[in-house]
Amino acid sequence: AQSVTQLGSHVSVSEGALVLLRCNYSSSVPPYLFWYVQYPNQGLQLLLKYTTGATLVKGINGFEAEFKKSETSFHLTKPSAHMSDAAEYFCAVSDQGGSEKLVFGKGTKLTVNP
Amino acid sequence: KAGVTQTPRYLIKTRGQQVTLSCSPISGHRSVSWYQQTPGQGLQFLFEYFSETQRNKGNFPGRFSGRQFSNSRSEMNVSTLELGDSALYLCASSMSASGNTIYFGEGSWLTVV
Repeated sequence: AQSVTQLGSHVSVSEGALVLLRCNYSSSVPPYLFWYVQYPNQGLQLLLKYTTGATLVKGINGFEAEFKKSETSFHLTKPSAHMSDAAEYFCAVSDQGGSEKLVFGKGTKLTVNP
Repeated sequence: KAGVTQTPRYLIKTRGQQVTLSCSPISGHRSVSWYQQTPGQGLQFLFEYFSETQRNKGNFPGRFSGRQFSNSRSEMNVSTLELGDSALYLCASSMSASGNTIYFGEGSWLTVV
């Protein structure tokens, strides 16, 4: 069975600092990997996804993530945090079997301090 | 292009009642899936529909059911509501090919009292 572990339920950074949100996955087959962001009282918005090809994936709002198969990781980074980045971030995995089922991590709430 | 639309956005129900939530996917999307989000359990997959057929189902009791219509619109129903069913219910749609982007709606907030 697939699973996703997000290290740190809360992460706090200063504005302008590096953002690093950690995600490790477990999958018996090559996975597809996703990062979603959720702002208060809203649905989920896709930041970026990895399916095949280049392991460094660039997304919206300056975020990027690198798929490292040997470490089963897909950490999300942003060089310089902005106040508007404060939100909850979810890492998710799906398999390539044709299903659209996503397995989500528990989420990491990002706080950006002025 | 309109996004995934869910109705109603907010509702309050009493224990023992039943509720139906509706989802209109993005035009052209044939796959619709449903998720339950709670503070304790996080985001959990309920079920997925494609071409009016349930293609995948999560680990929820039979009180939770869904269906998809020929126009790809979907409904989910929860019967005999329990307090623990209070949650944000998210609908998502996609073109239904593995790896395609899955787009989420704003969700339906259900409170059971």
